[in-house]
Amino acid sequence: EDQVTQSPEALRLQEGESSSLNCSYTVSGLRGLFWYRQDPGKGPEFLFTLYSAGEEKEKERLKATLTKKESFLHITAPKPEDSATYLCAVQFQGAQKLVFGQGTRLTINP
Amino acid sequence: GAVVSQHPSWVICKSGTSVKIECRSLDFQATTMFWYRQFPKQSLMLMATSNEGSKATYEQGVEKDKFLINHASLTLSTLTVTSAHPEDSSFYICSAKTGEETQYFGPGTRLLVL
Repeated sequence: EDQVTQSPEALRLQEGESSSLNCSYTVSGLRGLFWYRQDPGKGPEFLFTLYSAGEEKEKERLKATLTKKESFLHITAPKPEDSATYLCAVQFQGAQKLVFGQGTRLTINP
Repeated sequence: GAVVSQHPSWVICKSGTSVKIECRSLDFQATTMFWYRQFPKQSLMLMATSNEGSKATYEQGVEKDKFLINHASLTLSTLTVTSAHPEDSSFYICSAKTGEETQYFGPGTRLLVL
């Protein structure tokens, strides 16, 4: 069964304290892995798409990496405005739909 | 680019009435649109996938007669919740994509059924 698991469920950091969020997946054939950010009461905001192992993408303080079984979202020197729920989603071969993980609730304290 | 809008942003209705939610891709043509439901502090749950001009494909457990989806054009899809009941109260989110794989999400519609 195709599954996507995110860890930790919640993470509290001090401003400037770098860390990583994990997304592991068991998919028979990966078509793409997606990271989104979701603020309370809003729709997910697209961050990155990764297609193959070894690929990396960066945007401001965020960097996403992909291996054959997991992806990491690295947050460098985070700020309070980085507080949000970060969602990982996988699209498997032959399908249009995304399989979402449960998300990581990130809180950055000033 | 890649902006998706939803209307209304929130709606309150009485039990037994029907509610229509619109999802529009504002700056691109969406060959495929998706409808999700999200409960508090939970992740997104896919309800159905719709391709322009075709019948929607519903996920297992989603009642197609209760959640009517129409994707009449490349920029508009609608979700109608028929005979709504309090248990249908939720946050409904649509997404859209072109030929690329990335789905772009709307801001969501909060439905409260009294």
